[in-house]
Amino acid sequence: GENVEQHPSTLSVQEGDSAVIKCTYSDSASNYFPWYKQELGKRPQLIIDIRSNVGEKKDQRIAVTLNKTAKHFSLHITETQPEDSAVYFCARSRYGNKLVFGAGTILRVKS
Amino acid sequence: EPEVTQTPSHQVTQMGQEVILRCVPISNHLYFYWYRQILGQKVEFLVSFYNNEISEKSEIFDDQFSVERPDGSNFTLKIRSTKLEDSAMYFCASTRQGGTEAFFGQGTRLTVV
Repeated sequence: GENVEQHPSTLSVQEGDSAVIKCTYSDSASNYFPWYKQELGKRPQLIIDIRSNVGEKKDQRIAVTLNKTAKHFSLHITETQPEDSAVYFCARSRYGNKLVFGAGTILRVKS
Repeated sequence: EPEVTQTPSHQVTQMGQEVILRCVPISNHLYFYWYRQILGQKVEFLVSFYNNEISEKSEIFDDQFSVERPDGSNFTLKIRSTKLEDSAMYFCASTRQGGTEAFFGQGTRLTVV
């Protein structure tokens, strides 16, 4: 299968709490896994990515973990802020070729 | 910082009309893509283009669609006879040789009436 399954479809958290979004894939040749944040009417914006040769990557409040054996990867946002509210998409690709996106997660951070 | 630019930002067209969406990829990038996003849905791959030819296309990219790189800077998507269901945001993206990060344009919102 080519698709990427993404869960949950919506996520509401209190400001300051953590948010976790999970994706699974079946294409074992995938080796690049980016996460995008998209605000209404805007382009997808890359927030973090991970390649298959590492298991975890962190950038300030955002981290991504990858389990290649189980074929799943997750986005972790800590200390959420209202400006983190957006739609988040995971994606996968092989060697920088076409991106296959998940269905998206609407994240709402309540203040 | 260099970026991918798309024109127009919004296009309204009558059903059955032809439209051309334009993109200027980042100048040293060699791989070009078109993606589509129907309102409220995920981003879907349409076509990839490398070395002046299509390298891959999806099921969505049927005979009504075509791409062209008419000169050294522009990359266009043409829809020959638009349908209502073609209404969507169309994103152009590019990547450099050996790169993985895709740089997206700001999108063209196509509305077919």
